[in-house]
Order: sequence, then C-alpha cells, then structure tokens
Amino acid sequence: KNEVEQSPQNLTAQEGEFITINCSYSVGISALHWLQQHPGGGIVSLFMLSSGKKKHGRLIATINIQEKHSSLHITASHPRDSAVYICAVRTSGTYKYIFGTGTRLKVLA
Amino acid sequence: DTGVSQNPRHKITKRGQNVTFRCDPISEHNRLYWYRQTLGQGPEFLTYFQNEAQLEKSRLLSDRFSAERPKGSFSTLEIQRTEQGDSAMYLCASSLSAVLSNTEAFFGQGTRLTVV
Repeated sequence: KNEVEQSPQNLTAQEGEFITINCSYSVGISALHWLQQHPGGGIVSLFMLSSGKKKHGRLIATINIQEKHSSLHITASHPRDSAVYICAVRTSGTYKYIFGTGTRLKVLA
Repeated sequence: DTGVSQNPRHKITKRGQNVTFRCDPISEHNRLYWYRQTLGQGPEFLTYFQNEAQLEKSRLLSDRFSAERPKGSFSTLEIQRTEQGDSAMYLCASSLSAVLSNTEAFFGQGTRLTVV
C-alpha cells in the first residue's frame, strides 16, 4: 500500500462542475502540498497546508491532520483546469517528500 | 528570480552514453531536491542537498547516478552508462530551510530523458 493514496485516479467533468480530489496518507507529516502538472511535465505548487483550509481563486484545499486526509476542490471547473493533480507530503522530521500517483482531470467544454 | 530552472528540457541519448542535467534553484534556497517521475507515476525521491552537503540518497540512486552541488547553488545530476529504464522526467525542487517555518518547495519544469 502506498504511503500517499489519491482518489480518483481519473476524473472527467463537464465545464462548471464542482470537483473534489482526495488524498489520504499513512505517515506523520509536517506539511502537505497540492501540485498541478500539465502535459509538458512542469509542476506548479498550488497549496502548502499544515492545518485547516486555504483558498486561492476557484481552488480550495483542506486538511484534517487527525484523519490524515486532505481534499482539493475546484469550483466552476474550466477546461484549462485539465491537468494531473498530485498530492505530496513532507514527512515529519525530514524534508523528504512522498508523492501520490496523481489524479488525471479532464474538464470538457 | 524566475524560479527553479532546469536544463536541458529534453534529452535523447543512446543507451550507454552519459548524460548530465543541471538545476538552478531559487537563489536564496538552501535545500535542493531531485526526483524522478516515470509515466503514470508520481515523482519519486532521489536525493537532497542542504547547501553543498548531500544529506540523503534514495536506494533508487544506483552507482550509475551521481549528484553534486559544489558551491551550494546549482546542482548537477549525472547518469553514467544510461539504460532504457532511465527514461523518465527528472524534476528538481528547492526550498528555504528555516527554523520553525513550514517552507514550501518550488519545482522546476523538469528534464525529460529518453534513452534509445
């Protein structure tokens, strides 16, 4: 079992839909990142969380440390949101990151 | 500062050749990480540096792989005697180490290696 699990692995949505991507982890962490990777391969950091909730534009990220779970929400989804969304955790006591395998999102116009 | 820069963006090489990739981190960042990402998978940790010191290496980093950060600024990742299994995206990230601070890692665009 991977230390960081994401669901779903693939998601297709219609433009305007509300989208939720989930991340569960089994290790102690000091921080959790949500990353976006476009087909060209480059990674953009969307959020870094250690507790609570953050919002940036149409994106919202939440984390529940006790349940070892985080969610990324996209409101009013748009085709340009199509990408792979990756959850990465920084393990406690180190600066090493463990990544989920990603959620491939496709938003149809 | 334009962020983490990696060169080259793409590299095609013949099996058995040596390749070297470069990563220029964000200038004030003292931590630098290398990851490898194969198709359909999340990035896997290879190694990281604090300043010029290589503090941790994954067992994924075989003896054909070597990483350096000689002056604590840019880093190079060299793969000797490349194999087809080395084909992957090699990602570099940097962050600022600060006491009592959760510091964010910033990622480069990656170098895509294809071994033919």
